[in-house]
Amino acid sequence: AQKVTQAQTEISVVEKEDVTLDCVYETRDTTYYLFWYKQPPSGELVFLIRRNSFDEQNEISGRYSWNFQKSTSSFNFTITASQVVDSAVYFCALFNAGKSTFGDGTTLTVKP
Amino acid sequence: KAGVTQTPRYLIKTRGQQVTLSCSPISGHRSVSWYQQTPGQGLQFLFEYFSETQRNKGNFPGRFSGRQFSNSRSEMNVSTLELGDSALYLCASSLEQGARSETQYFGPGTRLLVL
Repeated sequence: AQKVTQAQTEISVVEKEDVTLDCVYETRDTTYYLFWYKQPPSGELVFLIRRNSFDEQNEISGRYSWNFQKSTSSFNFTITASQVVDSAVYFCALFNAGKSTFGDGTTLTVKP
Repeated sequence: KAGVTQTPRYLIKTRGQQVTLSCSPISGHRSVSWYQQTPGQGLQFLFEYFSETQRNKGNFPGRFSGRQFSNSRSEMNVSTLELGDSALYLCASSLEQGARSETQYFGPGTRLLVL
C-alpha cells in the first residue's frame, strides 16, 4: 500500500522567513511520481512540481525549492523569503500505476 | 487555454436525494479523475476515466458512479445522499495516461452540502 505523511499539520511564520514543508512517502514500486500542490482558500489545487522516482535532482523555481532523497523517501519543499500570498494548504502526493495518494496537507500561514 | 471547469460550484441537497456533478477537462486532455475532499478523510481518489472507460476506482460505495463522454467531459453521480457525503468534489484532467504519471490539473471543485 502507498502512504504519504506530512507530519506538520500547521506552520506559522512571519513574512520573509524561510519555511520547509516535510513529506515522507512509502511505496513498494520502483517507478512512481511525486507531486506538490498548493490549495489556496478558493479551493482549487494548483500544481507546483512533479518529480519521477529516477530523477533525484533538486529543483529551484524562484523562491521555491524541492529536495528529493530516495534514501530517506522524502520530498521536502522549501519556500525562501515567504510572503503572505504563500498562505495556503500544501499537499504532497504520490502517483503510480493508477493509484494516487495524497498526504493530509500542511496549512501554512504567513503573517505580515 | 482554459482550465478545468466544474459545475455547479455550490450545491445543497437533502438526505436521500441524488446529485450529478459535471467536469470539463482542459482542451486536449483525455483523462479525468474525481476526488472527494473532507476535513476528516482528506483527499480521496474516487475514480478515473479515460476514453469513456473507467480505468481506476477508489474505495467508495456503489452509490458513487461516473461516466465520461466522447468529448472527454465527465459527470459523477451520487445516489441516496448521506450527511457524510458533504464535501468538496474535485475533478482533475491530464493529457493522456491519467494517474500513472501525467500531471493532473485540478478544477475549482463543487462544494456539496447534504442536509
